[in-house]
Amino acid sequence: SAVISQKPSRDICQRGTSLTIQCQVDSQVTMMFWYRQQPGQSLTLIATANQGSEATYESGFVIDKFPISRPNLTFSTLTVSNMSPEDSSIYLCSVLSGRFVDEQYFGPGTRLTVT
Amino acid sequence: GDSVTQMEGPVTLSEEAFLTINCTYTATGYPSLFWYVQYPGEGLQLLLKATKADDKGSNKGFEATYRKETTSFHLEKGSVQVSDSAVYFCALSGLGGNTPLVFGKGTRLSVIA
Repeated sequence: SAVISQKPSRDICQRGTSLTIQCQVDSQVTMMFWYRQQPGQSLTLIATANQGSEATYESGFVIDKFPISRPNLTFSTLTVSNMSPEDSSIYLCSVLSGRFVDEQYFGPGTRLTVT
Repeated sequence: GDSVTQMEGPVTLSEEAFLTINCTYTATGYPSLFWYVQYPGEGLQLLLKATKADDKGSNKGFEATYRKETTSFHLEKGSVQVSDSAVYFCALSGLGGNTPLVFGKGTRLSVIA
């Protein structure tokens, strides 16, 4: 399975600021996904990020609020812009297994608190 | 669209008790089905999966069988341990793979000694 790291692991941010979350994978992967897990809730897909193309956002998520970069096959960033307390969540990146197209592996998550 | 419904928690069991967490799904075609586990303070880990009807996924004493006729994928374990305390998520992947997962809401399990 892929080994995925995320930075930062947690942060406390002020309302109105932005935070960029990094996701690094130890192998080349085509598709990466960004999810949000609000407190006590399930995971909601924010966007799919393929290298060399614009990210595809799910309903309710927009590029101006959650810009994503995917500069190469092992790295991606998600920025949470103009934060409000409602953005307090765990943000997770995931990748598809190189061996099984239906398996996903997840990073440890970034716990964001907005005050 | 595709969806997953799993039993509400929290579930509290004594050590060595039998565990069942119900999961049903709605999907087009024959999705792959998964159980993920999230231990306290950690990310999601794939626990087990099944890719076609009547397949049984198993890992760490947990089992789940893909039941097409009832569109279900219930998680079971015969004897839970304190270390099994976690949140369990049922999920599906659309036909053909290469698609994001659709998750259930998660079920928190607490096992007491």
